[in-house]
Amino acid sequence: GENVEQHPSTLSVQEGDSAVIKCTYSDSASNYFPWYKQELGKGPQLIIDIRSNVGEKKDQRIAVTLNKTAKHFSLHITETQPEDSAVYFCAAMNTGNQFYFGTGTSLTVIP
Amino acid sequence: SQTIHQWPATLVQPVGSPLSLECTVEGTSNPNLYWYRQAAGRGLQLLFYSVGIGQISSEVPQNLSASRPQDRQFILSSKKLLLSDSGFYLCALRPQYTEAFFGQGTRLTVV
Repeated sequence: GENVEQHPSTLSVQEGDSAVIKCTYSDSASNYFPWYKQELGKGPQLIIDIRSNVGEKKDQRIAVTLNKTAKHFSLHITETQPEDSAVYFCAAMNTGNQFYFGTGTSLTVIP
Repeated sequence: SQTIHQWPATLVQPVGSPLSLECTVEGTSNPNLYWYRQAAGRGLQLLFYSVGIGQISSEVPQNLSASRPQDRQFILSSKKLLLSDSGFYLCALRPQYTEAFFGQGTRLTVV
């Protein structure tokens, strides 16, 4: 099955700085890579995703990059704000029934 | 658009008592449904998934069971709760080959 590794587990940045979270996956059949943001006491919410036929996708301050050859993908948040503080999960999916999450990154943006 | 309802939001149960958590979805037909558990500060552990009525796959052998009596209903149960069953339980919906959506979760504390 798929194995998704996520780093770092915790990340602290100053407000306005950039944050980068990295994930690797093992199954070359995975073709869809979403990122979720989970605030305390709530369910994860999709914030951005990328499919395997695309190398980069950007949505305002958030961007995701994918390197299929190396089997890794990254989340980039620029101009971080305190409300970006949350736990972020990456995931790897294919057209099968299961999908796999990374272990999460707790991001703290220091005002 | 798809919506997912999960209740109750919080639950405190004594050890040895039964459990029933319900998840219902709207706006989609024949989705894949999932139950996840999240221990405090930890990642998402897949417990069960279902690809259709009466079809349940278990990822981790444990004190819990799941059922899908209707296409849009997914139930997580236990006959006798253990202290180790405490956690944050999340129901997820995955329409065919698209991103997954999560409910708001149930915080279960076994005392």
